[in-house]
Amino acid sequence: SQQGEEDPQALSIQEGENATMNCSYKTSINNLQWYRQNSGRGLVHLILIRSNEREKHSGRLRVTLDTSKKSSSLLITASRAADTASYFCATDGAQKLVFGQGTRLTINP
Amino acid sequence: NAGVTQTPKFQVLKTGQSMTLQCAQDMNHEYMSWYRQDPGMGLRLIHYSVGAGITDQGEVPNGYNVSRSTTEDFPLRLLSAAPSQTSVYFCASSYHPWDTQYFGPGTRLTVL
Repeated sequence: SQQGEEDPQALSIQEGENATMNCSYKTSINNLQWYRQNSGRGLVHLILIRSNEREKHSGRLRVTLDTSKKSSSLLITASRAADTASYFCATDGAQKLVFGQGTRLTINP
Repeated sequence: NAGVTQTPKFQVLKTGQSMTLQCAQDMNHEYMSWYRQDPGMGLRLIHYSVGAGITDQGEVPNGYNVSRSTTEDFPLRLLSAAPSQTSVYFCASSYHPWDTQYFGPGTRLTVL
């Protein structure tokens, strides 16, 4: 069974708007990571947040982590067409990294 | 550095055939893993390795074998291909499972 589950499964917004996607997980973690996948390509790491961190920023990305609720969110501000991709959260446990099913984000011009 | 390389990029097999998907990394990473991704789905872990000589099963290991004789290489073997194994296969590596994963470009496999 997958550890992380993203919500929503698909999101379509206008360019310039903010996009928020969420990830819920079931068991304790060391870190939570977010990845992006452009169509047909390998995943690219975006940001890693440790279990003792609550918020982390990287450029237009903002990630929050609430370990009490076992959830994380990824916010992309001022979206661009190039942000169109699938976004996955990944959680570690028992020496392996498990991915959710992803959120497919579409940025409309 | 080449990073994580995978060969071949595309492969078509007939049911029952066997083949090996190659994965290599030049970053001296201890942790390597194989995932499969089906259309519109996330990544499912097939097998992983925490170091040379050590492998373990992931979420969907049936029909696949792995070995890790060197730090650099982590081949995935399909023993007897089935149409259900049609998928895109990704290899990844990192120093530890909880670190940033570096992904290869993927192998797109079709089993007829």
